[in-house]
Amino acid sequence: NAGVTQTPKFQVLKTGQSMTLQCAQDMNHNSMYWYRQDPGMGLRLIYYSASEGTTDKGEVPNGYNVSRLNKREFSLRLESAAPSQTSVYFCASSEVPDNTQYFGPGTRLTVL
Amino acid sequence: GENVEQHPSTLSVQEGDSAVIKCTYSDSASNYFPWYKQELGKRPQLIIDIRSNVGEKKDQRIAVTLNKTAKHFSLHITETQPEDSAVYFCAASPGGYSTLTFGKGTMLLVSP
Repeated sequence: NAGVTQTPKFQVLKTGQSMTLQCAQDMNHNSMYWYRQDPGMGLRLIYYSASEGTTDKGEVPNGYNVSRLNKREFSLRLESAAPSQTSVYFCASSEVPDNTQYFGPGTRLTVL
Repeated sequence: GENVEQHPSTLSVQEGDSAVIKCTYSDSASNYFPWYKQELGKRPQLIIDIRSNVGEKKDQRIAVTLNKTAKHFSLHITETQPEDSAVYFCAASPGGYSTLTFGKGTMLLVSP
């Protein structure tokens, strides 16, 4: 039981490049989330998917897109990376009624 | 939307002392209040949570109190140990399929 997994662990991009961050969970959770973590800013929600087939914007969605591929997988895409997107990205999943969010190990992204 | 304020941003204590971290929230509909611990370079992990039908919950050396009238909740750690050193995040949610709103975090340093 791996929980929530993310790939890659580290990535360096040049401004304007694109990439997709992958997330998968094996806990049969309906809800999945993407957060970014910046120093002093806490965890800010980018996008979430309450259930398979639905996605919604969070607090900081600009510059990102998401795809809920199936119940297990939720990907985050940066179409044209900017230095302001340098951050650590966490994926998480949860299930009602417990609502405990389980986090993946994170992806450290640097945009030059 | 929900707004969660967390204080202090940093907290230094001596081993064996108690530590208290406080959070306030704005949305009276919130009824789920988890606390996460994040060690350096690791993912956030749930350490304790409280729901609005109780005022206090304990788990060994940690406890959380909730005052719904005043819209604040607190994390109490007794007999602190060096391994308690980490960043702690509070969060609030109306529950169900609603999202979590996180505070900006408190860096706790426990000195031997």
